[in-house]
Amino acid sequence: AQKVTQAQTEISVVEKEDVTLDCVYETRDTTYYLFWYKQPPSGELVFLIRRNSFDEQNEISGRYSWNFQKSTSSFNFTITASQVVDSAVYFCALSEHNNAGNMLTFGGGTRLMVKP
Amino acid sequence: EAQVTQNPRYLITVTGKKLTVTCSQNMNHEYMSWYRQDPGLGLRQIYYSMNVEVTDKGDVPEGYKVSRKEKRNFPLILESPSPNQTSLYFCASSLFGAGNQPQHFGDGTRLSIL
Repeated sequence: AQKVTQAQTEISVVEKEDVTLDCVYETRDTTYYLFWYKQPPSGELVFLIRRNSFDEQNEISGRYSWNFQKSTSSFNFTITASQVVDSAVYFCALSEHNNAGNMLTFGGGTRLMVKP
Repeated sequence: EAQVTQNPRYLITVTGKKLTVTCSQNMNHEYMSWYRQDPGLGLRQIYYSMNVEVTDKGDVPEGYKVSRKEKRNFPLILESPSPNQTSLYFCASSLFGAGNQPQHFGDGTRLSIL
C-alpha cells in the first residue's frame, strides 16, 4: 500500500530564511508519481509540481526547488529566501502506476508560517 | 473559465438527514474524485471515477455514495450523516487518472454534522 509521511507538522521561520519541507514515501511500484500542493490560508489547493519515478533530476522554479532521491524514498521541497506569502499548508502526494494511477495518497501536510 | 464547482460551500446539518454535495467541472475531464481533509491526516480519498458510470472506492468510502451519470458531474451523497463525517471536502478532476495529471480542485465544502 502506498503511504506518504510528512514528519514536520508545523515549521516557523523568519522571512528570508531558507526552509526545507520533508516528504518520505512508501510504494512497492517501480513506476509512480509524486506531487506537491500548496494550501494557502484561503483554503484552495494549488498544484506546484509533479515528478515521475524515472526522473530524478532536481527541479528549480524561482525560489522553489525539489530534491527527489529514490535511494531514500524522499521528495523534499525547499523554499529559498522565504516570504510571508509562502505561509500555507503544503502537501506531498503519491500515485502508483499499478492501479492505473487512480488513487492519490496525501501526506498529513506541513504548516509553514513565515514571520516578517 | 476552467473550474471545478462545489455546492454548498458550507453546511450545518443534523445526524441522519441525507445530504448531497454537488461537484461539476467544465473541462471535459474524465477523472473525478472526492477527498476529505482532517487535521493531521491530510487529504484522504473517498471515491473516484474514471469515466461515466465507472466509480471505485478510495481509502475511506464508508458512509458515502457517489454517482457519475454525466461526465461533468460527480455528486457526493451522505445517506445518513454522522458527526464523524464532519470535515472539509474537496472535489477534484483531471483529464485522465490521478497519476500523471495534476488535479484541479474545487474550493471545498465544509460540513458540520451535529
